[in-house]
Formats: sequence, C-alpha cells, structure tokens
Amino acid sequence: EPEVTQTPSHQVTQMGQEVILRCVPISNHLYFYWYRQILGQKVEFLVSFYNNEISEKSEIFDDQFSVERPDGSNFTLKIRSTKLEDSAMYFCASSGWAGGQETQYFGPGTRLLVL
Amino acid sequence: SQQGEEDPQALSIQEGENATMNCSYKTSINNLQWYRQNSGRGLVHLILIRSNEREKHSGRLRVTLDTSKKSSSLLITASRAADTASYFCATESGYSTLTFGKGTMLLVSP
Repeated sequence: EPEVTQTPSHQVTQMGQEVILRCVPISNHLYFYWYRQILGQKVEFLVSFYNNEISEKSEIFDDQFSVERPDGSNFTLKIRSTKLEDSAMYFCASSGWAGGQETQYFGPGTRLLVL
Repeated sequence: SQQGEEDPQALSIQEGENATMNCSYKTSINNLQWYRQNSGRGLVHLILIRSNEREKHSGRLRVTLDTSKKSSSLLITASRAADTASYFCATESGYSTLTFGKGTMLLVSP
C-alpha cells in the first residue's frame, strides 16, 4: 500500500540553524500539507501546497518557513532560523483531491528538537 | 470549545468492552475524519464521514455525524489491547485544511 514517507525521523539542531524536513508524498497525489504537533498539544495546520504554489497557510507559517517541491517526488519544509519553540513533531500529508473529496494520508513525522 | 474538541480526554476500559469517543465542532464542515496516533508516532487515518452522511462503518469502527448538533462519535466495538492509542477527530472545511482536536487517550487493559 502506498504511503507517505518522511526523513529524517529525528533531527536535533541548534537555535538559529536552518533545517530542511523532507517528505515523499504518495505518487499520484496532487495536494501536499505540513502540520506540526508540539509535545502534548494538538496537531496544527501549517501550509497546503498545490500546483507548485502555496494554497493556504496558517498564522504559524511565518517568513521563517518555506516549502518547495524541488522535483517530481519530494516536498520539503524549510525553517530558516530555528527557535526553541519550533521543537515539535512535523507531519507531512498528501491527498488526491481537496475540498472534502479525499482523505489526507500522513507520514510518520519528523521529531525536531531545537536546543 | 474549539473546533474539533473530543471528549472524554481519557478513557480506560477492559478488553472486549466498547469505547465511545465524542467530538464537537463549531463551524460548518465538508467532512470529519478520525485519526489514531500511537504514542510518539504518526497519524493513521481511520475513517472519513462526509457532511451529508449520518453514519459510517469500517470493521469494528462506527462513526456518526450529527451536523445539527455539530458533533460526531467514534465507537470501537470489542476493543483490544492493541487499540490503545490517542484518537483525534479532524474537521475539514473551506480549502481542505484539517483542524484537529486535542484527542482522547484510550487505554484498553487486557
């Protein structure tokens, strides 16, 4: 069964450093998402991406964040200058359709720790 | 309450019993989805119910949706120890972003 994969599974970085989180969505999906979950809190939407551009983003997704689909398979989330409060589990998701038509399938997550 | 709030926050039952979790939301939705998360792991999609559906079944799972009350319930029948996890409802409205609740932690004891 196709699945969303994410690398790395864990990342430790120093405050102020840049990190890139990688995702490989399900191959025939068109919509891609990033969510995060701070430890003990709810999963929060960050950004959605379709047709090589951002469709929607939340207040969390400020100028420190960017997303890219550099080739036909990868979908990346970059945090330009990490802060302590960026420590969280980051989930990538993909779906075939948007607007209530299709399930979003989530990857296993990348646990980011900013020291 | 916030969009996608589950209750109870925690539920402890014995194997073989049924587990019922509830979710309430505030705004109109396209669909409501239930996800499961084992401790520290990823989110596993369980079931999606559209706004024009009232009930849906998948194996031991039964989901209901009452749009007039803006609420949904997830019933797991004949629970097993392996069902121990956190369960989240997520509502999709607008342009397909999901809004998650805080989840219900389910503990099923052998």
